[in-house]
Amino acid sequence: AQSVTQLDSHVSVSEGTPVLLRCNYSSSYSPSLFWYVQHPNKGLQLLLKYTSAATLVKGINGFEAEFKKSETSFHLTKPSAHMSDAAEYFCVVSGGTGRRALTFGSGTRLQVQP
Amino acid sequence: KAGVTQTPRYLIKTRGQQVTLSCSPISGHRSVSWYQQTPGQGLQFLFEYFSETQRNKGNFPGRFSGRQFSNSRSEMNVSTLELGDSALYLCASSLEGRGGTGELFFGEGSRLTVL
Repeated sequence: AQSVTQLDSHVSVSEGTPVLLRCNYSSSYSPSLFWYVQHPNKGLQLLLKYTSAATLVKGINGFEAEFKKSETSFHLTKPSAHMSDAAEYFCVVSGGTGRRALTFGSGTRLQVQP
Repeated sequence: KAGVTQTPRYLIKTRGQQVTLSCSPISGHRSVSWYQQTPGQGLQFLFEYFSETQRNKGNFPGRFSGRQFSNSRSEMNVSTLELGDSALYLCASSLEGRGGTGELFFGEGSRLTVL
């Protein structure tokens, strides 16, 4: 069984300040982990993925995430927020016998204040 | 390379009607998954098709059905619509054989409103 918990439903930051979106996971297997972003009335876009290679994963638009097995965490960070980063972010875990066993977190809505 | 295309983007139906949504995956992708997204329940998995066969199904009533054609295009159908079926329906495709990493490519969704 696997699960994913996004610890904050809403995060508000000022433009130019760091972003931290927190995600904890649980998986009986060595998981693959993803972060997706969804802008209003749009589909989901892959930001980055971890698949048991380097624990620090760099994604698009300056985002990165670090896989910490001891803490079962996969937090998403960005050094400096931009107004265009305002969106909903989903942490996703994939594990088990195939990539089809995907579990989505409940999402974190990121607000960026000018 | 064209992305995942979903049609229609928006539609309004009344209770008791049925609806069919269409999804064209990225060229070469043979796996198509459907998700329902609502403010209350978040993203919920409906079903997945691969090579015209349903190989995974979420916990939805039988009113929700789908199929996949030989060209990998997929449709989902909801019969006897209820108010609670109002949602954004997202389709995602993936390329099999890439190490099973689970990367999905999503369409922009079909927003269904049931009155």
